[in-house]
Amino acid sequence: EIVLTQSPGTLSLSPGERATLSCRASQSVTSSYLAWFQQKPGQAPRLLIYGASSRATGIPDRFSGSGSGTDFTLTISRLEPEDFAVYFCHQYAGSPLTFGGGTKVEIK
Amino acid sequence: EVQLVESGGGLVQPGGSLRLSCAASGFTFSSNWMSWVRQAPGKGLEWVANIKQDGSETYYVDSVKGRFTISRDNAKKSLYLQMNSLRAEDTAVYYCARGEGWLFDDWGQGTLVTVSS
Repeated sequence: EIVLTQSPGTLSLSPGERATLSCRASQSVTSSYLAWFQQKPGQAPRLLIYGASSRATGIPDRFSGSGSGTDFTLTISRLEPEDFAVYFCHQYAGSPLTFGGGTKVEIK
Repeated sequence: EVQLVESGGGLVQPGGSLRLSCAASGFTFSSNWMSWVRQAPGKGLEWVANIKQDGSETYYVDSVKGRFTISRDNAKKSLYLQMNSLRAEDTAVYYCARGEGWLFDDWGQGTLVTVSS
């Protein structure tokens, strides 16, 4: 099983600032089958990034993903008020599919 | 527009059973892998099970193997999760998700399952 560890647990930033979220895998993620989801309170997760760096349909270009192997990063270049939420990384390379524990981006 | 609507959640006693349903619309249901993902209150996401387009392959997280069964009816555009021998730790919001391969690209709003006496 691939264990995903996200850091930090909470990120306190102001609108307009840059957010950098980390996801580390316990073993290499095949073919960069790594995705990022955003979740707001009371809502279902929304796909942001897949294949480590490809933006999903309709996702603003302030969201970008990078990385390969065991180290992946989600960057939000300039935080908008609607970006304050919880972010999960997820590997879909093989069963069991696993998620990271999440990073909460909160308003400072 | 893709729509996934879950139903069937509720309060059940430990050891009991429940069947969740997910009604799909807005896409060719028979063309996609489908999955169930759950989220315990205040916790992270946990993949539960997925099923191939024609139902010929299914996969489960270890904690539900032998207790849960995922199935689908392509004619009815519906996904199901039969949950038996329920435990307190199964308490969660259960989401239905459409797969592009194994990538979850659309999610329903979820249905809450509470296992408690």
